[in-house]
Amino acid sequence: AQSVTQPDIHITVSEGASLELRCNYSYGATPYLFWYVQSPGQGLQLLLKYFSGDTLVQGIKGFEAEFKRSQSSFNLRKPSVHWSDAAEYFCAVGYSGNTPLVFGKGTRLSVIA
Amino acid sequence: IAGITQAPTSQILAAGRRMTLRCTQDMRHNAMYWYRQDLGLGLRLIHYSNTAGTTGKGEVPDGYSVSRANTDDFPLTLASAVPSQTSVYFCASRGQGGLGYTFGSGTRLTVV
Repeated sequence: AQSVTQPDIHITVSEGASLELRCNYSYGATPYLFWYVQSPGQGLQLLLKYFSGDTLVQGIKGFEAEFKRSQSSFNLRKPSVHWSDAAEYFCAVGYSGNTPLVFGKGTRLSVIA
Repeated sequence: IAGITQAPTSQILAAGRRMTLRCTQDMRHNAMYWYRQDLGLGLRLIHYSNTAGTTGKGEVPDGYSVSRANTDDFPLTLASAVPSQTSVYFCASRGQGGLGYTFGSGTRLTVV
């Protein structure tokens, strides 16, 4: 069965510091990969997605992610974190057709001054 | 504005009562999904529908039922609510081509 692992439950970074959130997936086929962000009390917003092609994808709010097939990873990065980036981040994996997305358990990001 | 509407926004429900969470989308997406979100567990799939007239079970379907009479609506019913169904419920839809989901704003349900 496909699965998504986000090893870090909670990360705290200083404002202006760089950020990397980890995501590993388990599946045999080439996946579609997603990162979503959820602010407190809100729904989920798509940050970026990878389907094929260039393994480094750019998203909204200055985020980027890199697909590494050899490591089954799709880590999310941001060079300089802003206080407004404090939120819950979810990695998800899907496949062609109508297979439902599988989500990781999420990583909560706190940003300190 | 195109998107997904969920209702109610929040609800406190007595155990044993029946409850239907509503989900309506206006994007003509074929596929729709219900997830529940619990602290430390992320989002878990309850039921899904790939197209009107079809439904399927997800990871945690027990105690829930769905119907998909048309493209736009995908209600989730709790026949007899239990406290373990206290959660935040998200409806989502997906268009053709494997694009990411569009999520509703969620329904916060408390069963007491």
